[in-house]
Amino acid sequence: DTGVSQDPRHKITKRGQNVTFRCDPISEHNRLYWYRQTLGQGPEFLTYFQNEAQLEKSRLLSDRFSAERPKGSFSTLEIQRTEQGDSAMYLCASSGWGTGETQYFGPGTRLLVL
Amino acid sequence: AQRVTQPEKLLSVFKGAPVELKCNYSYSGSPELFWYVQYSRQRLQLLLRHISRESIKGFTADLNKGETSFHLKKPFAQEEDSAMYYCAPHTGTASKLTFGTGTRLQVTL
Repeated sequence: DTGVSQDPRHKITKRGQNVTFRCDPISEHNRLYWYRQTLGQGPEFLTYFQNEAQLEKSRLLSDRFSAERPKGSFSTLEIQRTEQGDSAMYLCASSGWGTGETQYFGPGTRLLVL
Repeated sequence: AQRVTQPEKLLSVFKGAPVELKCNYSYSGSPELFWYVQYSRQRLQLLLRHISRESIKGFTADLNKGETSFHLKKPFAQEEDSAMYYCAPHTGTASKLTFGTGTRLQVTL
């Protein structure tokens, strides 16, 4: 499968624990996005990388959230001291030259904070 | 503030009936508009974008700048069209998409 992949697909954690998610974009894509989706809502933008540079962060991304894309390839999203309100589907997408602005989405990581 | 409105959470139609999924946007500048679709147990995927003016799976969408709308239409619904549909404007500065709350299309026999 040459599409966007995310790991893990599901994560259950206790309140206060730290979690880290990984996203592997389509290999030739230089842009990578993180979105969060809660029940009954559309995906909400969290942050965006062009190569290794994080160019924009949403106000939704509190200090407990951090994202990295160290070599301009895969990206990680870490949530520290998780809260029940962090329970959501976390989606990763990528795009690049030749795709126009079309973003290709991964399957998502579903987080449940108990 | 930039906003996307999809007024219907659920749209239920009979097979063969016409479909119109509504999307209104409030945006500064000239956004590019997309429709994304999520079929059951599949990932979110692009259905169509206004700039390409294509018809994908029989769906079309016309950008009406006067009404700031980008409604998705199909003349004859098929069972396989049942899915969640999201309207998503994109502005060039940050390349991010702003999704509406989505409309679930249910096509019944």
